[in-house]
Amino acid sequence: GAGVSQSPSNKVTEKGKDVELRCDPISGHTALYWYRQSLGQGLEFLIYFQGNSAPDKSGLPSDRFSAERTGGSVSTLTIQRTQQEDSAVYLCASSLAGFTDTQYFGPGTRLTVL
Amino acid sequence: AQRVTQPEKLLSVFKGAPVELKCNYSYSGSPELFWYVQYSRQRLQLLLRHISRESIKGFTADLNKGETSFHLKKPFAQEEDSAMYYCALTGGFKTIFGAGTRLFVKA
Repeated sequence: GAGVSQSPSNKVTEKGKDVELRCDPISGHTALYWYRQSLGQGLEFLIYFQGNSAPDKSGLPSDRFSAERTGGSVSTLTIQRTQQEDSAVYLCASSLAGFTDTQYFGPGTRLTVL
Repeated sequence: AQRVTQPEKLLSVFKGAPVELKCNYSYSGSPELFWYVQYSRQRLQLLLRHISRESIKGFTADLNKGETSFHLKKPFAQEEDSAMYYCALTGGFKTIFGAGTRLFVKA
């Protein structure tokens, strides 16, 4: 079946602009995760959704970052007033129920802030 | 603080040699531990998880709570094992990944 998809695959934006990154999880997966991978770094956990709810938003780097999930499916990560340090690959993953389940990753969105 | 440490950024071994990728963690509760792998031009994918006690592609990992380690081992490395390997810990509402170890298996 179809895996996790993310769009766009690449995004180049100017400093100060807002961007929206989209994640389509595997159908039926209730848990969804966002990560950030900066050059040469590991994966930085951003946020986790169980259904439409995010129990802990403390992983978001700043208040310029927000995420939502509607209908228990698609999720959007929004970065307002982008900064150059936001440049990274943003990965989305989904799992059937929760953290003890295997996470299936999308291909990522490469964000470049000029 | 929750932390996953992979001390080696790069590990290079010859084909047929044993390989061990180190992972140490810091967590106050009872974590779930995983190894994920990313082959060239492929997505990040699960390799194995400690609660399954399984062997995947010849790899095994034993959770040592006393040493807070979850090292990944394979007795005979193959060229197709060359990839980026990430150790991960899940606890509470977060998953923490290590910085990763790039394994290069030479012919």
